[in-house]
Amino acid sequence: LAKTTQPISMDSYEGQEVNITCSHNNIATNDYITWYQQFPSQGPRFIIQGYKTKVTNEVASLFIPADRKSSTLSLPRVSLSDTAVYYCLVGDIWGGSNYKLTFGKGTLLTVNP
Amino acid sequence: DSGVTQTPKHLITATGQRVTLRCSPRSGDLSVYWYQQSLDQGLQFLIQYYNGEERAKGNILERFSAQQFPDLHSELNLSSLELGDSALYFCASSVGQGAWETQYFGPGTRLLVL
Repeated sequence: LAKTTQPISMDSYEGQEVNITCSHNNIATNDYITWYQQFPSQGPRFIIQGYKTKVTNEVASLFIPADRKSSTLSLPRVSLSDTAVYYCLVGDIWGGSNYKLTFGKGTLLTVNP
Repeated sequence: DSGVTQTPKHLITATGQRVTLRCSPRSGDLSVYWYQQSLDQGLQFLIQYYNGEERAKGNILERFSAQQFPDLHSELNLSSLELGDSALYFCASSVGQGAWETQYFGPGTRLLVL
């Protein structure tokens, strides 16, 4: 499973656009990129998933360059309620007996008023 | 509400004891995952079951074991508990078994070992 690297924390203000970048230099051909959001004392919640180029849903956009060695989660016009930890997860459809699902430490996004 | 249920919500026990955590996946989901989250370790994958069979194993201690029953609910057994086992334990479920599957997390069980 590809190792991911994210910033430990980020600060923003209400109404701003926030971009969180995840590096995954060893991403494999079959790997998908998935982002989760976690509030304190709650389980992570799926935000968005992509394979290449750009994906957009009602809450976020995911930008993936052609080499797929990184991805950027974009949150438009954040609010205080977007304060959470954001995890980047890279995985493939074929796991095998030794693959591990690694969420890592995530990025703590703090949105200030 | 993700549709995944976990019981109990809270559990307080003593060192050396054994506890069982229970998880019911979303209707139709065949995979169940178990995670441990502590303040210093982040979210750690423990084990995955798919349709009753062990599918992948992560950082699960030998003192811990899990199983998935024919009705697809799962149990995580923690034995010879140590202080360091105090953590939030999450269960998640997904339709399929691939690592790219969207996982739906339950509310977690908070375990405190005294």
